[in-house]
Amino acid sequence: QSALTQPASVSGSPGQSITISCIGTDGDVGAYNYVSWYQQHPGKAPKLIIFDVNDRPSGVSYRFSGSKSGNTASLTISGLQAEDEADYYCNSYTSGSTLSVFGTGTKVTVL
Amino acid sequence: QMQLQESGPGLVKPSQTLSLTCTVSGGSISSAGYYWSWIRQQAGKGLEWIGYIYYSGSTYYNPSLQSRVSISVDTSKHQFSLKLISVTAADSAIYFCASVKMVSWSHDHWGQGTLVTVSS
Repeated sequence: QSALTQPASVSGSPGQSITISCIGTDGDVGAYNYVSWYQQHPGKAPKLIIFDVNDRPSGVSYRFSGSKSGNTASLTISGLQAEDEADYYCNSYTSGSTLSVFGTGTKVTVL
Repeated sequence: QMQLQESGPGLVKPSQTLSLTCTVSGGSISSAGYYWSWIRQQAGKGLEWIGYIYYSGSTYYNPSLQSRVSISVDTSKHQFSLKLISVTAADSAIYFCASVKMVSWSHDHWGQGTLVTVSS
């Protein structure tokens, strides 16, 4: 099972919007709406910020939103803030005996 | 609020077995709505899913590790455990345990992670 493909880095200025892509296959992202996104600050555990493609857990800022088209999922951060500087990972449920695959990760830099 | 805490040796010798335990509190490890997961992160690298276990004992593993990994559960102790045999330096990583909400297949609660170094 190959990792989902994400850009290594994305950057933006405070207040701007950025989008991170997560490219999968017909067997994972394209087949199920079980795409989740995680934010990880240095030295910390990942934190769930999006589940079921575009739902936010309680307490997660509305500035985080998700979408999906075909085999590609996307995370958009609007109104970029300094605290959004972190690594972001997508994850998808997948068919077969594996059940789970993470993305390669994207480092977000706030300029 | 569910909490998870990893525990185990921080140093393992090459060719030996890595053993970690995750203790669950604030929620039931026997909940029908959850799987329990191990994930690892090598230094400077991304997240790698290791495997899942259900409270009944059903398991799913990453094919790349399947020949060396086993995950077990002890519901009486509210714990699930990871064993990885024949370790090498490449298995040095931060190991996280997490809960997986089945309705969304999302890792909704995570432990803080524990660093395991494989070295003689």
